Formats: sequence, structure tokens, C-alpha cells
Amino acid sequence: GAGVSQSPRYKVAKRGQDVALRCDPISGHVSLFWYQQALGQGPEFLTYFQNEAQLDKSGLPSDRFFAERPEGSVSTLKIQRTQQEDSAVYLCASSLNRQSEEKLFFGSGTQLSVL
Amino acid sequence: QKEVEQNSGPLSVPEGAIASLNCTYSDRGSQSFFWYRQYSGKSPELIMSIYSNGDKEDGRFTAQLNKASQYVSLLIRDSQPSDSATYLCAVKRGGNKLTFGTGTQLKVEL
Repeated sequence: GAGVSQSPRYKVAKRGQDVALRCDPISGHVSLFWYQQALGQGPEFLTYFQNEAQLDKSGLPSDRFFAERPEGSVSTLKIQRTQQEDSAVYLCASSLNRQSEEKLFFGSGTQLSVL
Repeated sequence: QKEVEQNSGPLSVPEGAIASLNCTYSDRGSQSFFWYRQYSGKSPELIMSIYSNGDKEDGRFTAQLNKASQYVSLLIRDSQPSDSATYLCAVKRGGNKLTFGTGTQLKVEL
């Protein structure tokens, strides 16, 4: 596709519900990142994939958060037993290869609201 | 101390003026520095990257880096209303992770 695609655009969940957020990166992009952006804050790093390998998950806030990219393209961020503090915009970004990792292309994000 | 600090603003400048956005970082090992622009409700977009001390110009934008002072800035010349957005400073030590500041809201007034 022309850009990074994320779905759903908006998600409302009841506290305790599990959610799955999808990211479809730019075709051919090796690197994929997930960021969490709370209202009025900058994006906070969650996790990083190079192809299907999850090389860094140091930013995942708890074991309720899980990300995968099984075939090295589409990625899913799953949040189990959602809490109100999980409410944020979840941004996915991709880049072409390791040498150009600094140029990230962001998707439009998924705005998650936990009630 | 936050790793990347920015004044949240809002910074208001008149149309046609120079907007000056500032950022400081705490990790002396940081190697790469970036400015992203984020319109309200939209995703961040890279506008400038800088890796060595000094100035880097691209159109109306100039990024300035001073590693000794751990300071990076963005100047926007001839500011336009369309420049009104939040500007995010981001740094990278090495590896893959970008660390963002909280952003400075810029308002360019007619």
C-alpha cells in the first residue's frame, strides 16, 4: 500500500476486555515499531521487529501486552485484560532497512479508550 | 530528569516570523537527532534529521545541534499558519529505539 495502515482507527473496550490492534507496514519495510502516545505526550517506545524477529520489547509496560509479526509483514499488538491506563493512541511505524531506520513512516494510529 | 525535554508551549509567533523550538537531552551517548511534526489527530511526520554539530538547512527549516551542551533546536523561517502543529524532538543513542520529547505546540497567527 501507499503507507502504513492501522486498524481499527478507534476502539472502545470495557475494562478487562482483550483487544487486538493491527498494523500493515509499507511493503518491503523490514523494521516495524509500536509506540504508545498518551494525550499531550510524545510517543513512547513499546517494541521493535526486524522482519519476524522481535528484537526489543523493553517498552512493553506489562505482561498484558504482547506483539507479534509472524510472517515479517503484518503485526498485531494484543492487550489482555485492558485497564483504564491503557487508553492511548497506539502508533505503528515502519522503515526500509537497518541503515535507514531513522526515517520512520507512521500509521494513523489506533485510538484505544478503555471504559 | 526526562531523557528528552521540550517546553510544551504553546509558542505563538506571527505569520512571517522565525519560530525557534528547543530541545535538550540527557544521554551524552545520543548519536542521531530528529524533528517530527504532528498535526492534531494525525501521526508524526519526519521533517529534519541531524547527526553532527552545527546547522543543517532544508528549505525554511534549520536544525541546529550542539552535543557539548546536549541541545538541539529547530528554526522555522517565514512561519506560515500551516506550520501550526506540535513539534516532537527525538533522539537515538544507537540501535533502533527513538526516544521522543513531549512536544512543543506551535501556533502561527495571522
